[in-house]
Amino acid sequence: SQTIHQWPATLVQPVGSPLSLECTVEGTSNPNLYWYRQAAGRGLQLLFYSVGIGQISSEVPQNLSASRPQDRQFILSSKKLLLSDSGFYLCAWSVDRGHTEAFFGQGTRLTVV
Amino acid sequence: DQQVKQNSPSLSVQEGRISILNCDYTNSMFDYFLWYKKYPAEGPTFLISISSIKDKNEDGRFTVFLNKSAKHLSLHIVPSQPGDSAVYFCAASARGTYKYIFGTGTRLKVLA
Repeated sequence: SQTIHQWPATLVQPVGSPLSLECTVEGTSNPNLYWYRQAAGRGLQLLFYSVGIGQISSEVPQNLSASRPQDRQFILSSKKLLLSDSGFYLCAWSVDRGHTEAFFGQGTRLTVV
Repeated sequence: DQQVKQNSPSLSVQEGRISILNCDYTNSMFDYFLWYKKYPAEGPTFLISISSIKDKNEDGRFTVFLNKSAKHLSLHIVPSQPGDSAVYFCAASARGTYKYIFGTGTRLKVLA
């Protein structure tokens, strides 16, 4: 069966510090991978998605970047965090075919102080 | 530009009654719709989906209805249970885009 791992669960970082959140998927090959953010009082905002190694699509211009160094690994990064980067970050995956559901990780609560 | 909208931020329903959660979309290219349930500090879990070739899909206590002409879908939960209390998100996808666009969510509270 497929599983998705996302870590850390919580993170408190000072303004201006770097960020690296990692997500890995097991039990499937060539998944589509996604990073979403849920800010306070808002819905799930799609940040990045990837349909293959090295292929990253950015949905919202902002202080973040994403990379996919391996087939089942997706990394969210920032060089210098802003207060506005605080939120609940979610990684998700879906199979690479037609219309199917996406499966989410447990999320990372990021607080920038 | 919010392409998927959930205009009711919250809903309270008595246990055993029907819960109806609504969702509207603006992009006519969307042809696949999903509902997710989310508890605090957890990732969303998939509930049910519907393709645009259908107008209804049922799975146990959950039924999703799609009205393409109105660009509207709804999730019916019957009977509602206290464990259904959570935030519900609708999402939409257009074929070939690989993206899931989510609404802002509706917080459902089922009262015992």
